[in-house]
Amino acid sequence: GESVGLHLPTLSVQEGDNSIINCAYSNSASDYFIWYKQESGKGPQFIIDIRSNMDKRQGQRVTVLLNKTVKHLSLQIAATQPGDSAVYFCAEPQGGSEKLVFGKGTKLTVNP
Amino acid sequence: NAGVTQTPKFRVLKTGQSMTLLCAQDMNHEYMYWYRQDPGMGLRLIHYSVGEGTTAKGEVPDGYNVSRLKKQNFLLGLESAAPSQTSVYFCASSYLILYEQYFGPGTRLTVT
Repeated sequence: GESVGLHLPTLSVQEGDNSIINCAYSNSASDYFIWYKQESGKGPQFIIDIRSNMDKRQGQRVTVLLNKTVKHLSLQIAATQPGDSAVYFCAEPQGGSEKLVFGKGTKLTVNP
Repeated sequence: NAGVTQTPKFRVLKTGQSMTLLCAQDMNHEYMYWYRQDPGMGLRLIHYSVGEGTTAKGEVPDGYNVSRLKKQNFLLGLESAAPSQTSVYFCASSYLILYEQYFGPGTRLTVT
């Protein structure tokens, strides 16, 4: 079946370091992937997305890498700041449908 | 723009009671969604709507009903609340299907 999952449920980094959050997906036909950030007590917030015809996409301090060979997605955050502390979710369309499937999330903690 | 708003923010119900959660968006988005979020489960889609007057089932629709009488509003109803419906409920909207979804702040519901 289709699934979107994460390798690590928690990640702790020092302020200023780079963070890498990973996501594995099982549907090789997925053509669109999204990363969301959810701060404590708030709704998820869109960070960045990537189409399957791309290997890499950069935003402000964030980069998403897509490796279709091993069905792996990663979110890189440069110079991690305390405000980056949150739960990060990857998501993909469910089997060509109109619905998104969300992973269970990775909790990122940034230590000062 | 207020974005996506949800009413109420918190609610406690007794088993068997009914209630309606209201979601409103002022971005003229066609698509609207209701999710529930439980610890360790990520976000799961309950129902969604691709336009005014239309609704469709998501991953976990049982025990919920929805209506989209106006484009800007999406209502989620619980006819007979059960403890298993204790959760945080998020509404979201998007301009195009599967594109960036904008989430509301959530409603924390407890059913005793």
